[in-house]
Amino acid sequence: ETGVTQTPRHLVMGMTNKKSLKCEQHLGHNAMYWYKQSAKKPLELMFVYSLEERVENNSVPSRFSPECPNSSHLFLHLHTLQPEDSALYLCASSQRTGRTDTQYFGPGTRLTVL
Amino acid sequence: AQSVSQHNHHVILSEAASLELGCNYSYGGTVNLFWYVQYPGQHLQLLLKYFSGDPLVKGIKGFEAEFIKSKFSFNLRKPSVQWSDTAEYFCAASLGGYNKLIFGAGTRLAVHP
Repeated sequence: ETGVTQTPRHLVMGMTNKKSLKCEQHLGHNAMYWYKQSAKKPLELMFVYSLEERVENNSVPSRFSPECPNSSHLFLHLHTLQPEDSALYLCASSQRTGRTDTQYFGPGTRLTVL
Repeated sequence: AQSVSQHNHHVILSEAASLELGCNYSYGGTVNLFWYVQYPGQHLQLLLKYFSGDPLVKGIKGFEAEFIKSKFSFNLRKPSVQWSDTAEYFCAASLGGYNKLIFGAGTRLAVHP
């Protein structure tokens, strides 16, 4: 596998379920990101991890819980979601080199909350 | 608040027509600028980027963009589009120490043969 991979690609869950999204980057990068892409809204940055430390939490509700166990893996743990959380969740990674990072994106997980 | 705006939400062109997609950002400091493309059923891919230097940036697949600082703009251009350019195009600006990307709403381009 090359680039940034995400699993699962599609997920349907009820509001009381607990599930996790997984992201893996094969680029040797040291920063990882979660974005939310909703219909008719711009991509929204959710979380940023740099060197496995969370450095940005963009006012995301606590029902979304990120985890970055190492520089190659990023998880998004989901619990008691709402239907409005249905969206495409994108993971990205970059190599932090000061101000000239370029982010590379995975294919996303299409989440539907019933 | 910092923002990125894309003027056209939907653009329909015939093959061989010229393309220009507008992008403006609101931020007074130093920014990095990007155009990403999302082909149907595929993930976001980087088309081109501007960090500094020559304000005319060339990217993949014949695309280019011009950074005009005085207009806070970074418009995407292609002289002759192809059917395979049908996709959604996103302008993004990177601000701050952690290169937080702020995206525009996207422009859906449909190219008819």
